[in-house]
Amino acid sequence: AQSVTQPDIHITVSEGASLELRCNYSYGATPYLFWYVQSPGQGLQLLLKYFSGDTLVQGIKGFEAEFKRSQSSFNLRKPSVHWSDAAEYFCAAGRGGADGLTFGKGTHLIIQP
Amino acid sequence: EADIYQTPRYLVIGTGKKITLECSQTMGHDKMYWYQQDPGMELHLIHYSYGVNSTEKGDLSSESTVSRIRTEHFPLTLESARPSHTSQYLCASSEYRRGSEAFFGQGTRLTVV
Repeated sequence: AQSVTQPDIHITVSEGASLELRCNYSYGATPYLFWYVQSPGQGLQLLLKYFSGDTLVQGIKGFEAEFKRSQSSFNLRKPSVHWSDAAEYFCAAGRGGADGLTFGKGTHLIIQP
Repeated sequence: EADIYQTPRYLVIGTGKKITLECSQTMGHDKMYWYQQDPGMELHLIHYSYGVNSTEKGDLSSESTVSRIRTEHFPLTLESARPSHTSQYLCASSEYRRGSEAFFGQGTRLTVV
């Protein structure tokens, strides 16, 4: 069965520190991969996506993610977090057909002053 | 900026009432989705559509129904609301091509009392 795993439910990072959020997927073939961010009471906003090619993907708001086929991972990184980055982050995967994306359970990011 | 709108944003309603959650998009996307999200938890696909007159059930069983009479409109209906239906409902749309990302509305937070 297809699945997306985000091992960390909560992560606390000091403002200005670097960030890495983990994501692992289990699919029959390499899926399309996405990271979304959700602020409280809001919908989801796409940060970045990976289809093929360069395994390091740049996104909005200074985020990047690296696809590692050997580890079935697609971890999200940011060199220096800002207080406004506090939110829920979701990793998602899809096969590109009409069916929807499979989401991980999300990682709640807390920023310490 | 994604143009997908959900109304109402918040709804508190009594048990047994019929409700319709509205979702409209102005991007001309063929694919539309409804996800259910409980607080602090992952998103579960409950309905999706390939296009006009197409509706399919998603991974999570739901007592709700959907219709797709127009490309831009994908309403979700609960014939008789129950407290177990209390949740956040997120509508999304995407292009019908491989790897296209989903654009999300801001969600409807439903509370059934």
